[in-house]
Amino acid sequence: DSGVTQTPKHLITATGQRVTLRCSPRSGDLSVYWYQQSLDQGLQFLIQYYNGEERAKGNILERFSAQQFPDLHSELNLSSLELGDSALYFCASSPAGQPTGELFFGEGSRLTVL
Amino acid sequence: GQNIDQPTEMTATEGAIVQINCTYQTSGFNGLFWYQQHAGEAPTFLSYNVLDGLEEKGRFSSFLSRSKGYSYLLLKELQMKDSASYLCAVRGDSGGYQKVTFGIGTKLQVIP
Repeated sequence: DSGVTQTPKHLITATGQRVTLRCSPRSGDLSVYWYQQSLDQGLQFLIQYYNGEERAKGNILERFSAQQFPDLHSELNLSSLELGDSALYFCASSPAGQPTGELFFGEGSRLTVL
Repeated sequence: GQNIDQPTEMTATEGAIVQINCTYQTSGFNGLFWYQQHAGEAPTFLSYNVLDGLEEKGRFSSFLSRSKGYSYLLLKELQMKDSASYLCAVRGDSGGYQKVTFGIGTKLQVIP
């Protein structure tokens, strides 16, 4: 158990809908990262937050948005869903000041768009 | 930007040694990671290199050459449970902040 919690674990929805994925980082970790992993694809970096502020942005679509709240949990909002958005969405956290800066991943939220 | 290359698939025999290579290009290099990911599961941290040389951790070792933009992960005494994808990831500059970018991963199949 990495200490990172993601909900829901599985989600099935229809095209055009909107969903929200939630992530609670490890206790004390200030950084939260979101990654998308489609079938047989690598982890695609979406966005990073640090202590409530956006720090880096990757290949995140305009239909997607995220935020990190004062209690450090984060939400990833996906709207106008398309079939191609079906993927595993991982959240990861890392502590500030750790030399290795390794990422601790949650179990992921598996999104299926029908 | 950041670019990472690693083989997509490898097969090795139980008990043998396998080396998984990774080449990368990035600005502001600040560390290279190897993660293991079993199908449908979360990636788990294996190793971290920021200086040139070899880091050994049990059956797993990781090597880095910053001048060549090259790393490898060495797995010894392979076990069936080592069948997984191995992800090379690089931390580098992105608009003044550090970003961790993952390669597509090398799917390793260990056969009896």
